[in-house]
Amino acid sequence: DIQMTQSPPSLSASIGDRVTITCRASQSINVYLNWYQQKPGKAPKLLIYSASRLQSGVPSRFSGRGSGTDFTLTISSLQPEDSATYYCQQSDTTRTFGQGTRVEIK
Amino acid sequence: QVQLVQSGAEVKKPGASVKVSCKTSGYTFSNFYIHWVRQAPGQGLEWLGILNPSGGQTNYAQRFQGRVTMSRDTSTSTVYMELSSLRSGDTAVYYCARDIMGLDRAEDYWGQGTLVTVSS
Repeated sequence: DIQMTQSPPSLSASIGDRVTITCRASQSINVYLNWYQQKPGKAPKLLIYSASRLQSGVPSRFSGRGSGTDFTLTISSLQPEDSATYYCQQSDTTRTFGQGTRVEIK
Repeated sequence: QVQLVQSGAEVKKPGASVKVSCKTSGYTFSNFYIHWVRQAPGQGLEWLGILNPSGGQTNYAQRFQGRVTMSRDTSTSTVYMELSSLRSGDTAVYYCARDIMGLDRAEDYWGQGTLVTVSS
């Protein structure tokens, strides 16, 4: 099975900060890497698919990069509504999720 | 608009089975695969498997092989996930999610989740 490792497990940042979350796959997954945002009590929401493609309706402050084994999700200017847990997911072979990164607003 | 509406919360005893439904609408049912994902309290997301609503083919995560069954009713555009031999570790919110299809592989629409509690 492909393992996904996210870092950091949590972070605290101020409004307007640039925030980056990292996800590493245990083997190459090409660009089959997705990012989801989940708020408490809600279903995950697709933000980025195929490493860098922005899902319709998602603000442009969210961006994704990477290929192979190393990927990043960047929020260019953190907003209050971005407080959530973010998960990466590989979709190269079935599906595996990272452990999640909790983003808090200072 | 695309909607996935799941059945209500369930409480089951250890050893029992649970069947969760996911009624879809707003798109052509047979054209989009459906995934099932679960989340234990305070934990991360775990993939259970995928169903092709067109032909009924399934692919289950290795650790759930033999315990999970996914099915569909094309007449009502509803998919089902049944998990048997329940234990306390199966207590979780279970989600259905639609595959984006095409060359991309992701889940773009999700159900609201169904809480399954396993307790004696």
